[in-house]
Amino acid sequence: DTAVSQTPKYLVTQMGNDKSIKCEQNLGHDTMYWYKQDSKKFLKIMFSYNNKELIINETVPNRFSPKSPDKAHLNLHINSLELGDSAVYFCASSHLNDRVGGYTFGSGTRLTVV
Amino acid sequence: GNSVTQMEGPVTLSEEAFLTINCTYTATGYPSLFWYVQYPGEGLQLLLKATKADDKGSNKGFEATYRKETTSFHLEKGSVQVSDSAVYFCALPFGNEKLTFGTGTRLTIIP
Repeated sequence: DTAVSQTPKYLVTQMGNDKSIKCEQNLGHDTMYWYKQDSKKFLKIMFSYNNKELIINETVPNRFSPKSPDKAHLNLHINSLELGDSAVYFCASSHLNDRVGGYTFGSGTRLTVV
Repeated sequence: GNSVTQMEGPVTLSEEAFLTINCTYTATGYPSLFWYVQYPGEGLQLLLKATKADDKGSNKGFEATYRKETTSFHLEKGSVQVSDSAVYFCALPFGNEKLTFGTGTRLTIIP
C-alpha cells in the first residue's frame, strides 16, 4: 500500500486553465504539506494543514488554494495557471511536533503549463 | 530561524570512490537532522537521521554524524555505486510546523 499517494503523476495544461492535484495518506498522520520543487531541485514549502486546519501559508499567490476535507487528504487547486507554475509538486505528511520522525513524501506531480 | 547550507553540486564520482556531501546548519537548540534522497523521477525518501548531538545516522552504507562543535551533518559513503546516483537533501525542522531543506546536491556515479 502506498503511504502517500498523489494524482495525477503528470499534468500538462494550457495557460489560464484551472487544475487540481489530489493527495491522500494512509499513515494516520495529522499533518500534511505541499511543497514545490523548481527546475533546479529547490524545495519550498507552500502550505501545511493540521487536522484540516491551515497552519502554514507561505507567500504563495492566491491562485493556489489548498483544501483538506479530512486529515487524510490534502488537495491543491490552482486557478488561472501561468507558465511559472510549471514545477514538480510534492505532498508530504507527518505528525505535528514530531521533530524526530521526518516526513513521508508522495512521488510528485509534474505540472507543465504550455 | 533554523536553516541549512548544503554543498553545491553537481558531484560526479567514479564507482567505488569515497563520497562526502557537506551540510552545515544554523539552529536554535539541537534539532534533529535529516538526509533525504531523491532518485530520478521519484519523491524524496528519508535516508538517515540523527536526533541529538554526537549521534550517527546510517543507512545503505551512508553515514552522517551530528557535530554540534562544527554545526555540521556531512553525508559520507566509503564506496559509491552507480545506483547511488540521485539528489541528496540535508534538512532540519523549522519551528514545529515544517521541515526546511538545503538546496540539494546532485550526485552522478560513473561506472
